[in-house]
Amino acid sequence: EIVMTQSPATLSVSPGERVTLSCRTSQSVSNSVGWFQQRPGQAPRLLIYGASTRATGTPARFSGSGSGTEFTLTISSLQSEDFAVYYCQQYNDWPPWTFGQGTKVEMK
Amino acid sequence: QIYLVESGGGVVQPGGSLRLSCAASGFTFTSCGMYWVRQAPGKGLEWVAYIRKDGHAQYYADSVKGRFTISRDNSKNTVYLQMNDLGIEDTALYFCAKDVPDVVAFDYWGQGTLVTVSS
Repeated sequence: EIVMTQSPATLSVSPGERVTLSCRTSQSVSNSVGWFQQRPGQAPRLLIYGASTRATGTPARFSGSGSGTEFTLTISSLQSEDFAVYYCQQYNDWPPWTFGQGTKVEMK
Repeated sequence: QIYLVESGGGVVQPGGSLRLSCAASGFTFTSCGMYWVRQAPGKGLEWVAYIRKDGHAQYYADSVKGRFTISRDNSKNTVYLQMNDLGIEDTALYFCAKDVPDVVAFDYWGQGTLVTVSS
């Protein structure tokens, strides 16, 4: 089973700041990584797939990078609606499909 | 517009059973694999089960193997999760999600249905 490790667990930031979230996998997953946003009380929403491709409707301020075992989600200028929990997930080696434990982006 | 609408959640005693349903619309159901993912209160996301687009392959998380069964009715655009021998640890919000075959998993999600296992 591929283990996904996200860091940090919590990020305290102010609107307008640049935010970088990290995700590490226990073995190479090529570029088969997705990033999801989950706002309170809502279902997760796919933001990025293939490590760097924005899903339909994902604002351009979100970008993803990485391959192999190290991946990054960057929000170039945090907006108020971006305060949420973000999960990375691998779909290279399954089953199981595995998620990271999440990074909570909260207001400073 | 793609919709995934879960139903069937509720309160059940330990050892009991429930069947969840997920009604899909807005896409070609027979072209997509379907998933169930759960989220315990205050916790992260856990993949539970997957069924291939033709229904001829199913996979399960170790935590539910032998107790849960995923199935689909392509004539009704619906995927099901039969849950037996429920334990307190199965208490969670259960989401269904779809894939884009060979491209990405979990590209659209429903809003979830809550399962509470309690005596």
